[in-house]
Amino acid sequence: SQELEQSPQSLIVQEGKNLTINCTSSKTLYGLYWYKQKYGEGLIFLMMLQKGGEEKSHEKITAKLDEKKQQSSLHITASQPSHAGIYLCGAGPRIQGAQKLVFGQGTRLTINP
Amino acid sequence: EAEVAQSPRYKITEKSQAVAFWCDPISGHATLYWYRQILGQGPELLVQFQDESVVDDSQLPKDRFSAERLKGVDSTLKIQPAELGDSAMYLCASSLAGGAGNEQFFGPGTRLTVL
Repeated sequence: SQELEQSPQSLIVQEGKNLTINCTSSKTLYGLYWYKQKYGEGLIFLMMLQKGGEEKSHEKITAKLDEKKQQSSLHITASQPSHAGIYLCGAGPRIQGAQKLVFGQGTRLTINP
Repeated sequence: EAEVAQSPRYKITEKSQAVAFWCDPISGHATLYWYRQILGQGPELLVQFQDESVVDDSQLPKDRFSAERLKGVDSTLKIQPAELGDSAMYLCASSLAGGAGNEQFFGPGTRLTVL
């Protein structure tokens, strides 16, 4: 079965600094999803990557999928307090019609003012 | 903006009692998922529905958990009897279809505490 490992598990950065969260898969990724979760709440969809080398950006958040499709990174530029939360990567299977997502354990991001 | 609705948001129960959670997906979404998230971990799928049919319930503890989506719209997840280890966040999600590339939209979750 597919497993996702996120690093680091927790991250504390000063407001305004850049940061990167990594997600490594034990198998080829056919669909990689990034979600953000505020403590005690549901998940908010950020971005989805499917193609090797693909890169997507939304506001100050950029996500990339490597060429081999086994690793993804999430980069936040000039971090703000609103970026604080838990970031989760999720992988979908190759099989159509069975879109169970397997998630990493999450990265807890704290932004210090 | 359309959202996935869940109730209750919080539930405290004693072990051996029965509990039920409700989910109303985004209108028109054929696929509905129930995930369980233990504190400090990522969500894990319990059951996936395509319309009213179960697609995947391989991780659902069927001796105590049951799920239904009778009319292919809203869904109920039940635990009977609840055990201490069931304390977790229960998340419902929906998507237009179950294929690759269909993003899942999550509800706010139900936090269950079993005493």
